[in-house]
Amino acid sequence: GAVVSQHPSWVICKSGTSVKIECRSLDFQATTMFWYRQFPKQSLMLMATSNEGSKATYEQGVEKDKFLINHASLTLSTLTVTSAHPEDSSFYICSARPGLAVGGTADTQYFGPGTRLTVL
Amino acid sequence: SQKIEQNSEALNIQEGKTATLTCNYTNYSPAYLQWYRQDPGRGPVFLLLIRENEKEKRKERLKVTFDTTLKQSLFHITASQPADSATYLCALGNNQGGKLIFGQGTELSVKP
Repeated sequence: GAVVSQHPSWVICKSGTSVKIECRSLDFQATTMFWYRQFPKQSLMLMATSNEGSKATYEQGVEKDKFLINHASLTLSTLTVTSAHPEDSSFYICSARPGLAVGGTADTQYFGPGTRLTVL
Repeated sequence: SQKIEQNSEALNIQEGKTATLTCNYTNYSPAYLQWYRQDPGRGPVFLLLIRENEKEKRKERLKVTFDTTLKQSLFHITASQPADSATYLCALGNNQGGKLIFGQGTELSVKP
């Protein structure tokens, strides 16, 4: 149980285009999802916290107009990188936390397999 | 600002030995600390959680200690195997929203 998927697993796009990454909790309802970015040999950096049905909360330094997050259902959150540039090339990872009503706890989150974005 | 440091150098050990990884932190009072395993090109996989009021946790060949005075956690893998080769991440969390702060990870290589 507690499986989180991401789609696509990798994507290559041209500079200036937008890319959408999906994060799905397959066997549980996730009231909260987190989006991270990881550059090579570096730690995971939290970009934003997404709560179902409300606006995402972005970490300091993360442009909310560039990284659009939508958490429209209890099993799906999307991250759209708008007008992508080569410096946005990174490994994007989401995690999902089960809702408290279904036994989730604040210290539990399940990670997806990641999406490798390469912007040419 | 909050800072987490893990063994910066890769750790190379012989199969069967105990691997010990270190996680130190400053300017933070976590409610809990977690250890994850990450393989190349993959997302992190949860291993163990230890809370601020716990000194030690064990799970099979894994052992974690947590010293809030030293602001340090040690992660041990006993009887290490080549399949244990991966990057290990520590992460700190509080009880406010479940946000995690990750260390940069330590790459472990277990040679047969």
